[in-house]
Amino acid sequence: KQEVTQIPAALSVPEGENLVLNCSFTDSAIYNLQWFRQDPGKGLTSLLLIQSSQREQTSGRLNASLDKSSGRSTLYIAASQPGDSATYLCAVKGGSEKLVFGKGTKLTVNP
Amino acid sequence: NAGVMQNPRHLVRRRGQEARLRCSPVKGHSHVYWYRQLPEEGLKFMVYLQKENIIDESGMPKERFSAEFPKEGPSILRIQQVVRGDSAAYFCASSPKSSFRGGGETQYFGPGTRLLVL
Repeated sequence: KQEVTQIPAALSVPEGENLVLNCSFTDSAIYNLQWFRQDPGKGLTSLLLIQSSQREQTSGRLNASLDKSSGRSTLYIAASQPGDSATYLCAVKGGSEKLVFGKGTKLTVNP
Repeated sequence: NAGVMQNPRHLVRRRGQEARLRCSPVKGHSHVYWYRQLPEEGLKFMVYLQKENIIDESGMPKERFSAEFPKEGPSILRIQQVVRGDSAAYFCASSPKSSFRGGGETQYFGPGTRLLVL
């Protein structure tokens, strides 16, 4: 049974800092891994999707890496801004259509 | 270009009542997924449907919960005789096609329905 763990559960940083969020999964037989952002009381916004054959994806100040063999992914956020404050969720897709989510990392960027 | 729409956004029910949650997928998407997010928990898969078919309901509680995605109209998640433990955010997602055994398709999420059972 696939399990996804995200560390840390919460993170508070000053504006401008570069930061890394971690995600690990127990079953390396995945088809893709996705990072989402969730704002309080809102839905999920997809940030980056990495296929199993890829090592990383970049979008603006975000960079996500995937090491399938070790069951790890990282989300790197450069030059953080207060608007980046949200909960970041990692989800993996295996052999079925369902996504398996971690509990998320709650990020606070202080002005 | 409307995304996934869910209604109501907030729903309050008393114990024993029924809750009906609606999801309209992105136009042209024929695959719908329901997830539940309990307080302080991650999202958990409930059910995957295609038009008129339930494909995977492995995450759905065996009793009181049902889902449908009719040929016309939105997908409905129905919870009968609600209990306090059903209080959660229920998210619907859609995708244009199955990516079974493939890499591909992103699931697009709606804003969720927050159910509170008194």
